[in-house]
Amino acid sequence: EIVLTQSPGTLSLSPGERATLSCRASQSVSSSYLAWYQQKPGQAPRLLIYGASSRATGIPDRFSGSGSGTDFTLTISRLEPEDFAVYYCQQYGSSPPFGQGTRLEIK
Amino acid sequence: EVQLVESGGGLVQPGGSLRLSCAASGFTFSSYWMSWVRQAPGKGLEWVANIKQDGSEKYYVDSVKGRFTISRDNAKNSLYLQMNSLRAEDTAVYYCAREDYWNYDYWGQGTLVTVSS
Repeated sequence: EIVLTQSPGTLSLSPGERATLSCRASQSVSSSYLAWYQQKPGQAPRLLIYGASSRATGIPDRFSGSGSGTDFTLTISRLEPEDFAVYYCQQYGSSPPFGQGTRLEIK
Repeated sequence: EVQLVESGGGLVQPGGSLRLSCAASGFTFSSYWMSWVRQAPGKGLEWVANIKQDGSEKYYVDSVKGRFTISRDNAKNSLYLQMNSLRAEDTAVYYCAREDYWNYDYWGQGTLVTVSS
């Protein structure tokens, strides 16, 4: 079983600032198998990043993913008002697949 | 345009049953693994079950094994989740999601299941 731990639990920032979200795995995860999702209140999750660093279709380039092994990062270079949401990382191949989420809130 | 539309949620008593459906369109349904993912109120995402393209392989989270059954009808472009012996802890929004290799690239809007007396 691979457990994904996301930090921080809540991140308070202002529009225009840079956001750095962390996802740490309890065992090494192939970069191909690591994805990030954004979820806004009342909406379904949306795929942002797959393969640790590839942006999904239609995702703005202010979103970027990086990392390997057990440490992965989602970076939002300059926060827009619509970016305040909950973000989940996900790994493939072991249950449970999702991290517990990071809430990005307006400061 | 890829669309996934869930239906069948509602209020059910503990021990009861419910069948969720997910209607797929805009892609070749029979070419993809499909999953059900749920989210309890105010909580995170929990994968529930998935099914191979031809229905020959099915996997479940431990907490629903023996109670839930995932199935699909490729002729109808539909995914199903039969839920029996429902418990209060099964209360959640249930999403169907398309698996694209190693991630979930499209999601439905979800259907709410409430288990309460």
